[in-house]
Amino acid sequence: GAVVSQHPSWVICKSGTSVKIECRSLDFQATTMFWYRQFPKQSLMLMATSNEGSKATYEQGVEKDKFLINHASLTLSTLTVTSAHPEDSSFYICSARNSDRGEQYFGPGTRLTVT
Amino acid sequence: GQNIDQPTEMTATEGAIVQINCTYQTSGFNGLFWYQQHAGEAPTFLSYNVLDGLEEKGRFSSFLSRSKGYSYLLLKELQMKDSASYLCAVLDSNYQLIWGAGTKLIIKP
Repeated sequence: GAVVSQHPSWVICKSGTSVKIECRSLDFQATTMFWYRQFPKQSLMLMATSNEGSKATYEQGVEKDKFLINHASLTLSTLTVTSAHPEDSSFYICSARNSDRGEQYFGPGTRLTVT
Repeated sequence: GQNIDQPTEMTATEGAIVQINCTYQTSGFNGLFWYQQHAGEAPTFLSYNVLDGLEEKGRFSSFLSRSKGYSYLLLKELQMKDSASYLCAVLDSNYQLIWGAGTKLIIKP
């Protein structure tokens, strides 16, 4: 089946630093990738939608200058959390939509802890 | 507004069958997904329905009725490892995924 990878799987950083998370579709092309955040015992919350070669579309309430998204190729999207704060600690999950089939697959997630 | 409803929690017995329902009201429809999510892990894709009818994949089946705005996920021969949250999500006319809150399925021996 289709595989989406994320790196790193977990990261601890100090407040004020930046963290980059990579999302790759390994065996299919993904014109569209999505970034979600999930707090404990809550449903997934869409942060932004990124389309290859264009600017990401952010959901209401998500700061685009804080969560930088780059979708440089059909298999790679990155999320950079800039000037991280403890309240940014969460589970960040990416998802890639198979351009041909329309199905959407999730990466394994990245657990971010900001101290 | 857009809305997806599914039961908050269900309990079933190992070896039995359980059906998790999902009803939706969205602006447009481009398919319905079911995902399984174990605690602390990312969701795993289970099924994608865009046409009416039943799709079977091993122990899991998913049904869709677009006219009724209704879907269900059927799990047969339940195993303890099936204890998880099951998320229903609809792709709307803008190709945005609208999520249900998830159904926590508890399997008892």
